[in-house]
Amino acid sequence: AQTVTQSQPEMSVQEAETVTLSCTYDTSENNYYLFWYKQPPSRQMILVIRQEAYKQQNATENRFSVNFQKAAKSFSLKISDSQLGDTAMYFCAFMKHGTNFGNEKLTFGTGTRLTIIP
Amino acid sequence: DVKVTQSSRYLVKRTGEKVFLECVQDMDHENMFWYRQDPGLGLRLIYFSYDVKMKEKGDIPEGYSVSREKKERFSLILESASTNQTSMYLCASSLSKSQHFGDGTRLSIL
Repeated sequence: AQTVTQSQPEMSVQEAETVTLSCTYDTSENNYYLFWYKQPPSRQMILVIRQEAYKQQNATENRFSVNFQKAAKSFSLKISDSQLGDTAMYFCAFMKHGTNFGNEKLTFGTGTRLTIIP
Repeated sequence: DVKVTQSSRYLVKRTGEKVFLECVQDMDHENMFWYRQDPGLGLRLIYFSYDVKMKEKGDIPEGYSVSREKKERFSLILESASTNQTSMYLCASSLSKSQHFGDGTRLSIL
């Protein structure tokens, strides 16, 4: 079974600063996907960024980037030039690779509540 | 854009009642999921379905059942609601490894 750990329950940073959210995971799989999801106070969970484990290059989406360290089983999210709209719960999640039924299941961490201070 | 619609944003029920939570997606996705979200526990998978009439237990299926009679609709059923089922319930559908979520239903069992 897979586990995902987010060790920072809460964080806060000043607007325009850079912040890094930590995530570690444990798995015996070699191929898998990792995700960061964002849940703003309005509640709908939205995908921020996705990383395929077989890709060495770190994924980037505008101000969001990841630092994927496969050997260390670490997957941190960096938010640059943080904005008030980045205030949200952030969840790290793991998905096994493969096409078998059930291989689209996500295992989530417990989340990090990020507050951007004006 | 993918639209996942949950029938209620807030719901209050009594212990012992049978409760139905409905979820509809409009993108013809094969896979659908029900999660519950609790503070400090993140999201935990209750049940999922990879096709019509097909279902699989997730990590915490006890006290719940599901129904998928049509591809676009996935229902979560609390057979006899209990206070420890008070929670936020999130539905999702997926295709090609990307899950799309509904707005959630905050369910209170009194």
